[in-house]
Amino acid sequence: EDQVTQSPEALRLQEGESSSLNCSYTVSGLRGLFWYRQDPGKGPEFLFTLYSAGEEKEKERLKATLTKKESFLHITAPKPEDSATYLCAVQAKTGANSKLTFGKGITLSVRP
Amino acid sequence: EPEVTQTPSHQVTQMGQEVILRCVPISNHLYFYWYRQILGQKVEFLVSFYNNEISEKSEIFDDQFSVERPDGSNFTLKIRSTKLEDSAMYFCASSARNEQFFGPGTRLTVL
Repeated sequence: EDQVTQSPEALRLQEGESSSLNCSYTVSGLRGLFWYRQDPGKGPEFLFTLYSAGEEKEKERLKATLTKKESFLHITAPKPEDSATYLCAVQAKTGANSKLTFGKGITLSVRP
Repeated sequence: EPEVTQTPSHQVTQMGQEVILRCVPISNHLYFYWYRQILGQKVEFLVSFYNNEISEKSEIFDDQFSVERPDGSNFTLKIRSTKLEDSAMYFCASSARNEQFFGPGTRLTVL
């Protein structure tokens, strides 16, 4: 069974204080690892897909990295508008449109 | 930028009633999904759909649930006889390849 564990559950940062969010996973053949941002009461908003160990993707203050067992979402000099829940999900190579298995998410609060 | 839309945004129903949740996927996408998120819990997969057939379904997606693509644009989730434990946010998603794009959700409240 595919599993995703995210840590910490919650993270409070001061504006400008860089940090990393962790996603550990087990999957029977990884097709892709996905990061989403979710604001309260909203749907997940796609951020990144990573396909193979060593791959990195960047978008503004966010950088996602992937190893064979975990992924990190690095946040550089965060701003209050980065406050949200960040979800990690994996997709197995079981079919062309196989399901996403999500972690519980990490709630990030950035204080001005 | 194209996006997935869902209606209604909030649905309140009595236990035992039927509800239909509606979604309009992104127009050139071929793969469609329903997920749900109970308050404070993980996003959980319900069902995936391609070429007018269910591709995969979870244990949650029992005989009370059904999906349909009634025309070229809509994708619906029907719950035949709602239970209290069906109260959740229901998200529709669509994809062209691997990346799944989610709608804003329908909050279903079963009383």
